Amino acid sequence: RKEVEQDPGPFNVPEGATVAFNCTYSNSASQSFFWYRQDCRKEPKLLMSVYSSGNEDGRFTAQLNRASQYISLLIRDSKLSDSATYLCVVNSARGTYKYIFGTGTRLKVLA
Amino acid sequence: DVKVTQSSRYLVKRTGEKVFLECVQDMDHENMFWYRQDPGLGLRLIYFSYDVKMKEKGDIPEGYSVSREKKERFSLILESASTNQTSMYLCASRKLNTEAFFGQGTRLTVV
Repeated sequence: RKEVEQDPGPFNVPEGATVAFNCTYSNSASQSFFWYRQDCRKEPKLLMSVYSSGNEDGRFTAQLNRASQYISLLIRDSKLSDSATYLCVVNSARGTYKYIFGTGTRLKVLA
Repeated sequence: DVKVTQSSRYLVKRTGEKVFLECVQDMDHENMFWYRQDPGLGLRLIYFSYDVKMKEKGDIPEGYSVSREKKERFSLILESASTNQTSMYLCASRKLNTEAFFGQGTRLTVV
């Protein structure tokens, strides 16, 4: 089993739709969690950190469920510019320095 | 703004050549990482460095070595390039337990 798993998609949604991605992780001792966005042929960029209490940034909401060991990303009112690959990142507790990346979920927002 | 700069965007090298990929960050970050990204496999950790002159193997270190003589610079070395090392290489840096910032990536082709 992979340490971090994501549905690769693609998720094809119309503009204005709400879409949610989940990411499961296997190490219950994992400490830090992040969502990154990666555009085609570009480097990943931080979208948001994921806190235990959940956090919201405009149309984006991230949640952490420690009991079920997953994090989620909700995008409301999708825009064409949201089309990208969304990477889930977990700070492995096996080595404090090590990030584990999911393979990413592709989102295409359609006009 | 954090700046992580990789020395080249595109490189073409011949099989058997020794290849150096350089990465420089300007934010005094302790931790630096080298990943490679391949379609369907996501980002895989090659090596990381948690401080000057300190390094640890990631998940796929074979065929690579690294050097961190100064805090701001982390070099990835392909001792004898092979065609299966054709990939996108991404450098990242961070302060401990915070989010990572990525360079723009180096697309290496080995012919």
